[in-house]
Amino acid sequence: NAGVMQNPRHLVRRRGQEARLRCSPMKGHSHVYWYRQLPEEGLKFMVYLQKENIIDESGMPKERFSAEFPKEGPSILRIQQVVRGDSAAYFCASSPQLAGMNEQFFGPGTRLTVL
Amino acid sequence: SQQGEEDPQALSIQEGENATMNCSYKTSINNLQWYRQNSGRGLVHLILIRSNEREKHSGRLRVTLDTSKKSSSLLITASRAADTASYFCATDEEGAQKLVFGQGTRLTINP
Repeated sequence: NAGVMQNPRHLVRRRGQEARLRCSPMKGHSHVYWYRQLPEEGLKFMVYLQKENIIDESGMPKERFSAEFPKEGPSILRIQQVVRGDSAAYFCASSPQLAGMNEQFFGPGTRLTVL
Repeated sequence: SQQGEEDPQALSIQEGENATMNCSYKTSINNLQWYRQNSGRGLVHLILIRSNEREKHSGRLRVTLDTSKKSSSLLITASRAADTASYFCATDEEGAQKLVFGQGTRLTINP
C-alpha cells in the first residue's frame, strides 16, 4: 500500500507565477489535510477536505490560495501570484476516518521556492 | 486557539543516553500524537495516545499523557545516532479534525 504521494517534491517559481501542488492520499483514505511549514517552525494547518468538499479552511490565507479534492484525481493546492513569503514546505496528510479516531499519514512534502 | 509547545527547543545528548521531550497544550483533546522529522524530510508518525490513556509504549519509545496538566512527554531510551531529528507533538481539539503542532524539539545524538 503506497503512502501519501506528493508532487512535485521541489518547485521553483518566480514572483507572480502560479504554483500547483498535488497530493494523492493513501488508498482507502477519503480525508486530506494540507499543512505549511516555514523554516525552523512547526506545521501550520491550512485546509481539510473530503471528496468534492472543503470541510475546514480556517488556516488558508484569504487571497491567492485555493484547494480542491475532486471526485477523481489528486487533491490540488493552488497558489496564485506567488510572493517570496510563500516559500515553505507544504505537506499533505490523509486519514481514513475522522482524525479523532485515526492518525494522519503525511506525504514527503513539496518544497516551494519563490525567486 | 490551542498550541502545542515542546520543551526543550533543542537537546543534545550522548549515544546510549535517554532523551525526554515534553509537550504542553491548552484545550481538551481527542488524542495526542508524536512525529519525527529528519532534516528536510517529511514527517514520520511515531505514536498516538488517546485522551483516556495515560501511558503507551512502542519499542524504545514511551509516551505519557497527563490531561489534568495538559501535558505529554516522549522518552526515547538507549538513544542512537539515527534518532537525530526534530520531534513534534500534535493535538486535535474535540470536535475538530485539524492537527495543531508545536514548534518541535531538535534532538542531536552525539556518537
